[in-house]
Amino acid sequence: GAVVSQHPSRVICKSGTSVKIECRSLDFQATTMFWYRQFPKQSLMLMATSNEGSKATYEQGVEKDKFLINHASLTLSTLTVTSAHPEDSSFYICSAEPPGGAGDTQYFGPGTRLTVL
Amino acid sequence: GDSVTQMEGPVTLSEEAFLTINCTYTATGYPSLFWYVQYPGEGLQLLLKATEADDKGSNKGFEATYRKETTSFHLEKGSVQVSDSAVYFCALTRGGSNYKLTFGKGTLLTVNP
Repeated sequence: GAVVSQHPSRVICKSGTSVKIECRSLDFQATTMFWYRQFPKQSLMLMATSNEGSKATYEQGVEKDKFLINHASLTLSTLTVTSAHPEDSSFYICSAEPPGGAGDTQYFGPGTRLTVL
Repeated sequence: GDSVTQMEGPVTLSEEAFLTINCTYTATGYPSLFWYVQYPGEGLQLLLKATEADDKGSNKGFEATYRKETTSFHLEKGSVQVSDSAVYFCALTRGGSNYKLTFGKGTLLTVNP
C-alpha cells in the first residue's frame, strides 16, 4: 500500500522554540494532506487541510499563526509549531490523499511525538 | 456537530476469543463509516468501511454493519489472534469538498497467546 512518512518521529524542545514536522508521501502524489493532533486517550482532531500550492484551511479553534502549514510540493507538507509551549505537547499525525480519492483513501503517517519542556 | 463514541479500552482477550468493539455515531445526513487500525509504530490503516445503511464491511476476518436505526457500527471478529493487537479507531465522514474524517478516541486491543 501507499506509504506516508513523518520526520522526526520524536522531538523534545525548549519552550519558545519552533519545531518543524515533515510529512511525505513516498510513492504517490498527494494534492491534499491533512494534519491531526491527538491528546492521550483522545481522538484524532483535524487541525487543518493542506492543498498543494494554496493556503491551508484551518479548523475552528486552531491558531493559524501558531501552526504554520506549507504544502509546497505534491509529496511534502510541513507543520511548524512556532514559539512552542508545554501545552503544545502532543502527538501530531498527517495523512495524504491521492488525486481523486475519497475519505477512505487517506494514507496516514506514523505520527510525531512533540514534547515541549 | 458530528461525533463518534467508541468503547473505552483497553480490551484484553485470549487468542481465539470473540471480539466486539462498540461504536456509535452522531451525524446529520448519511455518513460513511470506517474502522481504522493502528499497529504499534505504524500509521493508521483502513480496516473496513460501509457507505450505506445495512452495508456490511469486512476485511481480515473483521466485520461491521452500518445500522442507521441504532446509529451504530460495531466491530466484530469471531476469533482474534495475537497479531490483531493494535489500536482500533471508528470514524465517519460526510463527504464534501475535502472528506473530513471524525474519529472516535480509539480502543487498545491486546490479545494474549
